[in-house]
Amino acid sequence: AQRVTQPEKLLSVFKGAPVELKCNYSYSGSPELFWYVQYSRQRLQLLLRHISRESIKGFTADLNKGETSFHLKKPFAQEEDSAMYYCALSPPSNTGKLIFGQGTTLQVKP
Amino acid sequence: KAGVTQTPRYLIKTRGQQVTLSCSPISGHRSVSWYQQTPGQGLQFLFEYFSETQRNKGNFPGRFSGRQFSNSRSEMNVSTLELGDSALYLCASSSRTGNYNEQFFGPGTRLTVL
Repeated sequence: AQRVTQPEKLLSVFKGAPVELKCNYSYSGSPELFWYVQYSRQRLQLLLRHISRESIKGFTADLNKGETSFHLKKPFAQEEDSAMYYCALSPPSNTGKLIFGQGTTLQVKP
Repeated sequence: KAGVTQTPRYLIKTRGQQVTLSCSPISGHRSVSWYQQTPGQGLQFLFEYFSETQRNKGNFPGRFSGRQFSNSRSEMNVSTLELGDSALYLCASSSRTGNYNEQFFGPGTRLTVL
């Protein structure tokens, strides 16, 4: 079964604290993994993808194929990071299909 | 470049009616995907169109259909509306070049079925 699991509906941290948003996936094969973010009153947008291995807004995510995880991390949370975060996978061969997790709301308190 | 646009932004319909939603992709993008977002089920893939052909379909009943025009604009149709069809419908466009699959999302159409 193709599935993405984000175990936390809400993650609340204080400004300056480290953040880890968990994502586990179930897929037989080598999918592409993404993190999408939705800030308040804005549209869903790509934050980062595993193939680029880049850091965006201080966030990084490492694909662990053994544990089938793609956790999103940031060492020091900022208030502007407060948003809804979705982990998603795309089957290989570029099908135009994204399978999303249920999302985690990150709340960064001052 | 202008972003993905969706019309209308809000719709109220009654059970049994049908509805058509429209999506205009980013210029040059030939792939349009549709998603349904509900509090209970989250974001679920409906279907994808590429060059006027449906390339992939999610697990939704046949009441949900779509099409894509030669200018890549896409429409989604839901017939015989049910209360459970109340949702935010998102479309996303992608250039589909190579193996890169970044999708750019529109603001969504909020459908309420009474």
